[in-house]
Amino acid sequence: GAVVSQHPSWVICKSGTSVKIECRSLDFQATTMFWYRQFPKQSLMLMATSNEGSKATYEQGVEKDKFLINHASLTLSTLTVTSAHPEDSSFYICSASTGTSGYYEQYFGPGTRLTVT
Amino acid sequence: KQEVTQIPAALSVPEGENLVLNCSFTDSAIYNLQWFRQDPGKGLTSLLLIQSSQREQTSGRLNASLDKSSGRSTLYIAASQPGDSATYLCAVVGGGADGLTFGKGTHLIIQP
Repeated sequence: GAVVSQHPSWVICKSGTSVKIECRSLDFQATTMFWYRQFPKQSLMLMATSNEGSKATYEQGVEKDKFLINHASLTLSTLTVTSAHPEDSSFYICSASTGTSGYYEQYFGPGTRLTVT
Repeated sequence: KQEVTQIPAALSVPEGENLVLNCSFTDSAIYNLQWFRQDPGKGLTSLLLIQSSQREQTSGRLNASLDKSSGRSTLYIAASQPGDSATYLCAVVGGGADGLTFGKGTHLIIQP
């Protein structure tokens, strides 16, 4: 149980275009979803937290107009990287939780590797 | 702001040895602490989750302890195997955020 999928697993796009990444909880309802980013040789950094039906909360330094997050249902959240640039190339990982507080375990997706050329 | 530190940054040991990975965090007001492994180019595999009220968790050859008051956790790996080679990440929830704050990881190599 507690399976989270991401699509696509990898994507290459040209500078200036937009890319959408999907995160789905397959066998449970995810009240809260989180998006993390991992640059090469570095650890994961939280980008934003989203609750179903609400606007996402972005971490300091993350541009909300560049990284659009939509959590329209209890099983799906999307991250859209708008006007992507090479510096946005990274490994993006989502996680999903059944609750809204930090007591609830987060279940991670397999990640999406984005390369912007 | 919560900060998580992992020591050592890298470790290489012969197969069969028992080893300890260390994790410390600056804000003890955490909900839980989690250990993950990450293989090169891959996502995260959750190893152990310790709730703030717990002292330790065990799974197979892995044992994780939590001393919340001192802001420390250790991951003990018994009888290490080459398949244990990976980067091990420690992460906490709390200290002002519901998302996980990750350490930079310990890159572990088990020599056959």
